[in-house]
Amino acid sequence: GAVVSQHPSWVICKSGTSVKIECRSLDFQATTMFWYRQFPKQSLMLMATSNEGSKATYEQGVEKDKFLINHASLTLSTLTVTSAHPEDSSFYICSARGFRETSGMEYEQYFGPGTRLTVT
Amino acid sequence: GQNIDQPTEMTATEGAIVQINCTYQTSGFNGLFWYQQHAGEAPTFLSYNVLDGLEEKGRFSSFLSRSKGYSYLLLKELQMKDSASYLCAVLDSNYQLIWGAGTKLIIKP
Repeated sequence: GAVVSQHPSWVICKSGTSVKIECRSLDFQATTMFWYRQFPKQSLMLMATSNEGSKATYEQGVEKDKFLINHASLTLSTLTVTSAHPEDSSFYICSARGFRETSGMEYEQYFGPGTRLTVT
Repeated sequence: GQNIDQPTEMTATEGAIVQINCTYQTSGFNGLFWYQQHAGEAPTFLSYNVLDGLEEKGRFSSFLSRSKGYSYLLLKELQMKDSASYLCAVLDSNYQLIWGAGTKLIIKP
């Protein structure tokens, strides 16, 4: 079954509004969460890495004031796209990393199902 | 710099075998992952190799040679549902995943 949930799965918003995307690890404590963006027919692009209780580390070229990340607990991280514009329309995917007894692996990344954002 | 290379696209026939190669140059190595990603969906885990050799899991096998900086994913008895992108990713010395661009696999009947 799914180990990482993401909500909403898709969202349409108007230009200038903000959108919040939630990512939850369901059966393990995610010490680290990652946020990716993927444009059609392109590879995953890491936006930021966040560790529980500390500020996110953003990749070069990603505006931290536009893409607000909060990792307040070991099971929840949120990404808020502020003042969204049409060029922000993309597939946003979170992934979580932490030790799961069932796999015995600490560094595998479990992906959420993704959120398709369309800004009109 | 860090670099992961894999073919952009491959085509194979249903029922056949296909091998997807991945070469890497990274700062440190703590394992290599293969993920499958269907169009419009998030990646799903296929395999993890940290030691040299072949890991077999059903129709899928993954091979690693650390000295050569090389891995391959072998898919047997191909099915139409195997049409997807296959992503190679290396865990570097900082335990960060470095992603390849993915190989789009097209299966023909």
